[in-house]
This record gives sequence, structure tokens and C-alpha cells, in this order.
Amino acid sequence: QKEVEQDPGPLSVPEGAIVSLNCTYSNSAFQYFMWYRQYSRKGPELLMYTYSSGNKEDGRFTAQVDKSSKYISLFIRDSQPSDSATYLCAMKPDYKLSFGAGTTVTVRA
Amino acid sequence: GAGVSQTPSNKVTEKGKYVELRCDPISGHTALYWYRQSLGQGPEFLIYFQGTGAADDSGLPNDRFFAVRPEGSVSTLKIQRTERGDSAVYLCASSSGLQGPDTQYFGPGTRLTVL
Repeated sequence: QKEVEQDPGPLSVPEGAIVSLNCTYSNSAFQYFMWYRQYSRKGPELLMYTYSSGNKEDGRFTAQVDKSSKYISLFIRDSQPSDSATYLCAMKPDYKLSFGAGTTVTVRA
Repeated sequence: GAGVSQTPSNKVTEKGKYVELRCDPISGHTALYWYRQSLGQGPEFLIYFQGTGAADDSGLPNDRFFAVRPEGSVSTLKIQRTERGDSAVYLCASSSGLQGPDTQYFGPGTRLTVL
């Protein structure tokens, strides 16, 4: 079983919809949680990171971490066609990032 | 400022050949990482440098893979006797090396194809 599980999708939503993404993990040592966005043939780009359980908001993006359930989420409000990409959850105990498989999202205009 | 750069962007080689992949980190970043991303998967950790030394090479799949960072800046990932299973995107990332979240910034990757 992988340390980080993420549904690869694909996920297709109409413009303006809320996109909901999530990951589960098994390693209790993870303490930093990130969401990266990856466009086709590009490197991952950091969207958000959280350290503790709770919510963190940045513009249209909200990240949630529930350490007791080993579950993290990313919500994208008012989704735009430019949000179409693969979203990767990632987490680490200190320096070594463990990634989910990525969820491919398409926002239809 | 300039981000992480990687060369070449694409590399096609034949089975059994030797390849070198180069990474130029963000200036001033002491930490450098190599990851490998297979099609449809997330990146997988290969090796981590703090300065010139490899602090953790536990992700290197076998002894055909080797990486160096002789002056604490540019790094080269070397693969000997390439196999078809080595085909993947090789990503390099760098960070400040400080405690805490220490965000890793990724380069665009080198797409390696072994025929």
C-alpha cells in the first residue's frame, strides 16, 4: 500500500463549479502538507502548504488537514478553464516529499 | 529571479547507453533534490543534497544511478547502462535548506526515453 493515496480522476467540471480534491495517508510522521499544480509537460508548482490540522485559505483555494483521520483536502472555488491541470498532494516529515498520484482536472468553459 | 533549470529538456537514448542529466538550482539554495515521475504517477524521491554531500540517497533504485553536486550548486544525475524501465521525467527541485516547511521549487524536468 502506498503512503499517500489520491484518486487520479479524471475530474471534469463546468466553469464556476467548486472542485474538491483529497488524499489520505498512512505515515503519522508527516507534518507538512502541500498541494502542487502541474500543467502538461511542466514541473510541479506549489499552490498551498499547511503545517497543522485545520483550514487555510488563499484566494479561491482552501486547504484542509485532518491529522486525526489522516486526510487532506483542497477546494477550488469559482473554477476557471485555466485551473485545468493535474493536482498533486504532497507531504513530508522533514525534507523528503511523498506525493499522491495526482488528480487530473478539466474545467469546461 | 531565475527558477530551477534542467538540461536537456528531452533525451532519447538507446538501451545500454550512459546519460547525464543536469540541474541548476535557484541561486543561494543549499538543498537540492532529484525525483522521478513515471507516466500517470506522482514524483518519487531519489536523492537529497545538503550542500555538496548526499544526505539521503535511499531513493536511488540501484547502483546504475549516481548523482553529484561537487561545488554545492549544479547537480548531475548519472545513469549507467540505461534500461527501458528508466524512461520517465526526471525532476530536480531546490530549497533554502532551512527548518520548517522549506518549500521545494521544481524545475521543468528532463524527459528521458530509452529505446
